[in-house]
Amino acid sequence: QVQLQESGPGLVKPSQTLSLTCTVSGGSISSAEKYWSWIRQHPGKGLEWIGYTYYRGRSYYSPPLKSRVNISVDTSKNQFSLELSSVTAADTAVYYCAGYDSSGYEVDCWGQGTLVTVSS
Amino acid sequence: QSVLTQPPSVSAAPGQKVTISCSGSSSNIGNNYVSWYQHLPGAAPKLLLYDWNKRPSGIPDRFSGSKSGTSATLDITGLQTGDEADYYCGTWDSGLSAWVFGGGTKLTVL
Repeated sequence: QVQLQESGPGLVKPSQTLSLTCTVSGGSISSAEKYWSWIRQHPGKGLEWIGYTYYRGRSYYSPPLKSRVNISVDTSKNQFSLELSSVTAADTAVYYCAGYDSSGYEVDCWGQGTLVTVSS
Repeated sequence: QSVLTQPPSVSAAPGQKVTISCSGSSSNIGNNYVSWYQHLPGAAPKLLLYDWNKRPSGIPDRFSGSKSGTSATLDITGLQTGDEADYYCGTWDSGLSAWVFGGGTKLTVL
């Protein structure tokens, strides 16, 4: 059973880049045949998909965030990462790393989530 | 405004049945598989159903799903207080080339 754990700063200053890492355990990130994803939840709001990437292929990003987002995979560390540039207070949210089934149609593993606050 | 429309809230008594709808379009629900997620406060979301109506291991058969045209439905029977949570539908949107979630439905078990 694949398990995911987010890590990264809980506080980021406006205009800076938010960087989070997700460590995958219980399986190899390159053999799991999954799409690796980031999803967030603003305080009191619903789930918002940020994007996902296949370890050796294409990446897909939410259209409103596409210009600011990069999701990458580091197979040597069994990790994948999120970079979100030019953040504002509107990017304050709980960020979840997640893994989609190889079909790309369901999220079958989730991290516990990490709160990131954007504030000076 | 979410691409997929869910009722903000539903409620029912313990032991009863509740239905949560998820309405979309031909670019998402109409032509792609839908999955459903349960999100308990303070926990990570959990996959409830995939491919419209398939249950992952460990999900009781009280949870079931269906599709009609461009809408999907989650049914929960034999409601328990532990079912109180937010429920989300999700699918791929071929027009946006992006995954989309519904706005979420808060279930209250009275």
